[in-house]
Amino acid sequence: KAGVTQTPRYLIKTRGQQVTLSCSPISGHRSVSWYQQTPGQGLQFLFEYFSETQRNKGNFPGRFSGRQFSNSRSEMNVSTLELGDSALYLCASSLGPISGANVLTFGAGSRLTVL
Amino acid sequence: AQRVTQPEKLLSVFKGAPVELKCNYSYSGSPELFWYVQYSRQRLQLLLRHISRESIKGFTADLNKGETSFHLKKPFAQEEDSAMYYCALIGTSGSRLTFGEGTQLTVNP
Repeated sequence: KAGVTQTPRYLIKTRGQQVTLSCSPISGHRSVSWYQQTPGQGLQFLFEYFSETQRNKGNFPGRFSGRQFSNSRSEMNVSTLELGDSALYLCASSLGPISGANVLTFGAGSRLTVL
Repeated sequence: AQRVTQPEKLLSVFKGAPVELKCNYSYSGSPELFWYVQYSRQRLQLLLRHISRESIKGFTADLNKGETSFHLKKPFAQEEDSAMYYCALIGTSGSRLTFGEGTQLTVNP
């Protein structure tokens, strides 16, 4: 079965622009989480959605937002881009809310470069 | 607050040698601990989790609550084990996976 699909895989934006990233979870998975990966900060939690509801949010400014649709697909949006937003954005899905039992499966990521 | 620390950013061993990747955590409750691995040009994937108490690809990890550690061990390293390894934690409130900084393991022939 298909894995977690993230689009676009690569994108380049300039400061001040906004970007929308998309994530299609594994079929049947209802929880989607987003992480930011950078060389300096490593992997940092952005937010988690389950059944279209945001269950938790990481320590990121309000410029970072997300949503989940009824088919469990998720999008995240970053407005007013800054140079420091350059990163690999990873999406992960699981059957249910994150727990020790519900294993996360990660996508390949969307690599955002802000110039 | 929950925190995961991997003290070694880089670890290099020879093929056939034992390897141990260290992971320490801080959390006031009873966390769930995981090891994730990322091979070159591949996706981040689960290697093992402490609740399963299983051995994957020869790797094992024991949760030591007294020392708040979850070190990853393998008695005989193989070249194909070369990868980035991340220790991660979920607290009892769930909903958030906290990762360590990662350890880049290189197994030399």
